[in-house]
Amino acid sequence: AAGVIQSPRHLIKEKRETATLKCYPIPRHDTVYWYQQGPGQDPQFLISFYEKMQSDKGSIPDRFSAQQFSDYHSELNMSSLELGDSALYFCASSERGRRASYEQYFGPGTRLTVT
Amino acid sequence: AQRVTQPEKLLSVFKGAPVELKCNYSYSGSPELFWYVQYSRQRLQLLLRHISRESIKGFTADLNKGETSFHLKKPFAQEEDSAMYYCALSGRIYNQGGKLIFGQGTELSVKP
Repeated sequence: AAGVIQSPRHLIKEKRETATLKCYPIPRHDTVYWYQQGPGQDPQFLISFYEKMQSDKGSIPDRFSAQQFSDYHSELNMSSLELGDSALYFCASSERGRRASYEQYFGPGTRLTVT
Repeated sequence: AQRVTQPEKLLSVFKGAPVELKCNYSYSGSPELFWYVQYSRQRLQLLLRHISRESIKGFTADLNKGETSFHLKKPFAQEEDSAMYYCALSGRIYNQGGKLIFGQGTELSVKP
């Protein structure tokens, strides 16, 4: 079965550069979530989208922005990168149109290293 | 405040021994509780959710609203159970996207 796809899998950037992370949800899934997992930390919710509209916002810095496109894929744009942004960024998708169980399926993550 | 607590960072047991991974939560509503597992170098996978009341890979978890706990149990641990386990909570609020709040994770190590 198709899973959540994230690209790139690894990304190395320098301080103050920009980065764009992409997420392709499972077909027919209408909701996308972004999480950040720092070294030795639990995943922290950043932002979510439902039907291309932002549905919830967590601890996402103002330097970051995200959107969901008409084909339901999502992109997380990160500017003025800081060393503390080095983390594993997970994307998850769910099919909220059904029962709304919020069962989320996760991608493999993008490991961002800021030097 | 919404919070999930997993008190043990590392749990080490021998093969065949019972295992219990603890999870306590704080939520001022009616949450949905999950256990996610992350095997070495693999993505997070859903293991259990409390509303389904099922047993997956021999694991079970019961939601205890009085104690606000959702402990994960398995009577006989196997070496292949070694992984990182995350307890997570989602609020049942339809228009708020169902974000997951994770605990700190417990690394389970099953020794031969």
